[in-house]
Amino acid sequence: KNEVEQSPQNLTAQEGEFITINCSYSVGISALHWLQQHPGGGIVSLFMLSSGKKKHGRLIATINIQEKHSSLHITASHPRDSAVYICAVSYSGGGADGLTFGKGTHLIIQP
Amino acid sequence: DAMVIQNPRYQVTQFGKPVTLSCSQTLNHNVMYWYQQKSSQAPKLLFHYYDKDFNNEADTPDNFQSRRPNTSFCFLDIRSPGLGDAAMYLCATSRARGLLYEQYFGPGTRLTVT
Repeated sequence: KNEVEQSPQNLTAQEGEFITINCSYSVGISALHWLQQHPGGGIVSLFMLSSGKKKHGRLIATINIQEKHSSLHITASHPRDSAVYICAVSYSGGGADGLTFGKGTHLIIQP
Repeated sequence: DAMVIQNPRYQVTQFGKPVTLSCSQTLNHNVMYWYQQKSSQAPKLLFHYYDKDFNNEADTPDNFQSRRPNTSFCFLDIRSPGLGDAAMYLCATSRARGLLYEQYFGPGTRLTVT
């Protein structure tokens, strides 16, 4: 079964730093999702990508289909960005069949 | 605001005592999912409904059942909870955006089994 690998598992950085979280997968997908989960909270979808690059505010997500790799970048990081960031993929049906999740990256931004 | 609602947020049940978790949505999405997330682990898909069509993951225990009486509601029934079933249960919905399905998650129900 396809695995979704994320790195790093834990990341602590200072406010203002540029953050990169990586995700790799082993077989073809229909889409890759970046999700955010706050402690004790639900999950929020940040991006859904099938190719290229997307930007929303200080967040940027890229995907390289040939290399089966995606990155999530946070520019000018802020303590409120502290959360678990999860990479997930969907296979058939464009994602209607649900997601396969990576283990997440626990990000802490210190003031 | 349109959203995915889960009740209760916290549920305590006894070993072996049936429990039902509920999920409702005001998004009118045709697909609904149940995920199980154990402590420090990634969420794992249990099953999903595409409209009324039920799809069970191969490794979902028989102890877990689901019902979707209408578009808005979906229930997760655990017939005889064991200690290993303690987890966060996440409900999600999705609809097609072009060829892809974007997922919307509820806040989760944290289940404790005593």
